[in-house]
Amino acid sequence: ELKVEQNPLFLSMQEGKNYTIYCNYSTTSDRLYWYRQDPGKSLESLFVLLSNGAVKQEGRLMASLDTKARLSTLHITAAVHDLSATYFCAVGAFGNEKLTFGTGTRLTIIP
Amino acid sequence: GAVVSQHPSRVICKSGTSVKIECRSLDFQATTMFWYRQFPKQSLMLMATSNEGSKATYEQGVEKDKFLINHASLTLSTLTVTSAHPEDSSFYICSARLAGFASPLHFGNGTRLTVT
Repeated sequence: ELKVEQNPLFLSMQEGKNYTIYCNYSTTSDRLYWYRQDPGKSLESLFVLLSNGAVKQEGRLMASLDTKARLSTLHITAAVHDLSATYFCAVGAFGNEKLTFGTGTRLTIIP
Repeated sequence: GAVVSQHPSRVICKSGTSVKIECRSLDFQATTMFWYRQFPKQSLMLMATSNEGSKATYEQGVEKDKFLINHASLTLSTLTVTSAHPEDSSFYICSARLAGFASPLHFGNGTRLTVT
């Protein structure tokens, strides 16, 4: 059974600082996604990572994937208040169309 | 981009009644849609995979007689919560994949169900 863990679960950081969210998964995967969820809202797709060493960047967010370590990171650079949200990684087990979501990281950016 | 529409966004119903939630893919055809449930401040739990023209595949522990899924066309899947109870109160979100196995899921806006 595929298990996906994120840490930290909660993250409070000051504007302008850098930080990294980690996503570990337990079995072989062929794809990993990062999503953002604002309170009371649905999920917005941020990144799709399909291969070992994949790196994607959009604005102040950068995601990477290490399939050998079964680890993905979401790095936040010079955080701004607008980035406050809950971030989920989601992993697809190899050959399985279903996705398993991580526990989520609630990020709060403090002025 | 791909749009998934979910309706209603909020519903309050009494115990014992049934509620139907619709999920539509607006600008693409979706042979497969996924229904998730999310409790407050928790992650998403996959309830079932909805397949157009065939029976849904339910995850372990999800009562198929309670959560009826119908995927009658390539653009519409419905989830009916039958004989709802307060413990069914939750945020239900549907999703669909635009194309290709690796494409990200696009999510509807979710339905906040409150059973009184």
